[in-house]
Amino acid sequence: EVQLVESGGGLVQPGRSMKLSCAASGFTFSNYGMAWVRQAPTKGLEWVATISYDGSSTYYRDSVKGRFTISRDNAKSTLYLQMNSLRSEDTATYYCTRPFYYYDGTYYYERWGQGVMVTVSS
Amino acid sequence: DIVLTQSPALAVSLGQRATISCRASQSVSISRYNLMHWYQQKPGQQPKLLIYRASNLASGIPARFSGSGSGTDFTLTINPVQADDIATYYCQQSRESPPTFGGGTKLELK
Repeated sequence: EVQLVESGGGLVQPGRSMKLSCAASGFTFSNYGMAWVRQAPTKGLEWVATISYDGSSTYYRDSVKGRFTISRDNAKSTLYLQMNSLRSEDTATYYCTRPFYYYDGTYYYERWGQGVMVTVSS
Repeated sequence: DIVLTQSPALAVSLGQRATISCRASQSVSISRYNLMHWYQQKPGQQPKLLIYRASNLASGIPARFSGSGSGTDFTLTINPVQADDIATYYCQQSRESPPTFGGGTKLELK
């Protein structure tokens, strides 16, 4: 059974850093690109970042570029999101997702973790 | 960015048909592929994939869910609506980066 389990969230002050982890199991992690999607309280879903299966390519939404870093450790089947210079608008539940990719590069978010809450507040 | 527009809420009676729409600011189709997907999210839970590429039912999803559309206009249909279907539904496009989601349609009981 595919499982994605996020951890590392909590309360953090503006300007500080936090690192999220996503432990994957039930599939060959190193074969899949992965992504983070977030949801601010009572709001909709927002893509944050994507990483290729081998970590060689990363993509970010404009509002987090230069502040967030997505990475992975395939030996540990774990995805990470390092978040620096956090702002109040980064307050959200962060979901680890596993996209399904077609051969032509198109994709959808097939699997989701249960999410981890990050609150940025003084 | 491609903007996806959904109505905020839809009230429906149990056993009736629910039709949830999603309109894109530009086409999300490539040749015969419609790169629009639908997710269900219940309160306190993570989103769950329902429909991919506009009309394909995801694994384990009941046949009362169906999707249609192309270009800029897409529809998720639930027929008949059951109590377990009360949730918020999101569309999402993967035609262009960044991937974007609609604002969600909250399905409510009439």
